[in-house]
Amino acid sequence: EIVLTQSPGTLSLSPGERATLSCRASQSVSSTYLAWYQQIPGQAPRLLIHGASSRATGIPDRFSGSGSGPDFTLTISRLEPEDFAVYYCQHYGSSPRTFGQGTKVEIK
Amino acid sequence: QVQLQESGPGLVEPSGTLSLTCEVSGGSINSSNWWSWVRPSPGKGLEWIGEISHSGTTNYNPSLKSRVTISVDKSKNLFSLKLYSVTAADTAVYYCARDAGHYYDSSTHYFAYWGQGTLVTVSS
Repeated sequence: EIVLTQSPGTLSLSPGERATLSCRASQSVSSTYLAWYQQIPGQAPRLLIHGASSRATGIPDRFSGSGSGPDFTLTISRLEPEDFAVYYCQHYGSSPRTFGQGTKVEIK
Repeated sequence: QVQLQESGPGLVEPSGTLSLTCEVSGGSINSSNWWSWVRPSPGKGLEWIGEISHSGTTNYNPSLKSRVTISVDKSKNLFSLKLYSVTAADTAVYYCARDAGHYYDSSTHYFAYWGQGTLVTVSS
């Protein structure tokens, strides 16, 4: 099983600032199989990024993904009020599919 | 646009069976996709419970495999989750989800579609 470790656990930032979130896999994984999701309290997760760097349909270009196994990064270039949420990385190349424990981006 | 909707009892007694269904609209359960169940897990973020294909092939998370059954009902365009011998630790919001692409193409096995989630509480 591939374990994903996200850091930091919480990121306190102000609107307009840049957010950098990390996801490290327990073993080398192909970037083809790495996704990022956003979850706002009370809502279902929303796909942001797949294949480590491909934005999902309708996702603003302030969201970008990068990296290669085992280290991946989600960057939000300029935080908007609606971006304060929890973010999860996920590996989907093998079973079981696994998620990181999440990074909460909160308003400073 | 595919839409998913979970339903089922919001309260289950300890040692009982949690039963949920996920109705699919805007698409067919018979399409070549994987249909999954996911829940949040304290300290672990989100936990993938398992998946089923249109043909009934299943894969389960080893951590839950002994207590889980996922099935599909093509006539009703839905799939179901049963979790046996539940405890308070199984209290969570349960989501159903669908992959983006084809059953055979693992590069598309990220979750593009999600239900809104349903809260299940395990308590007497």
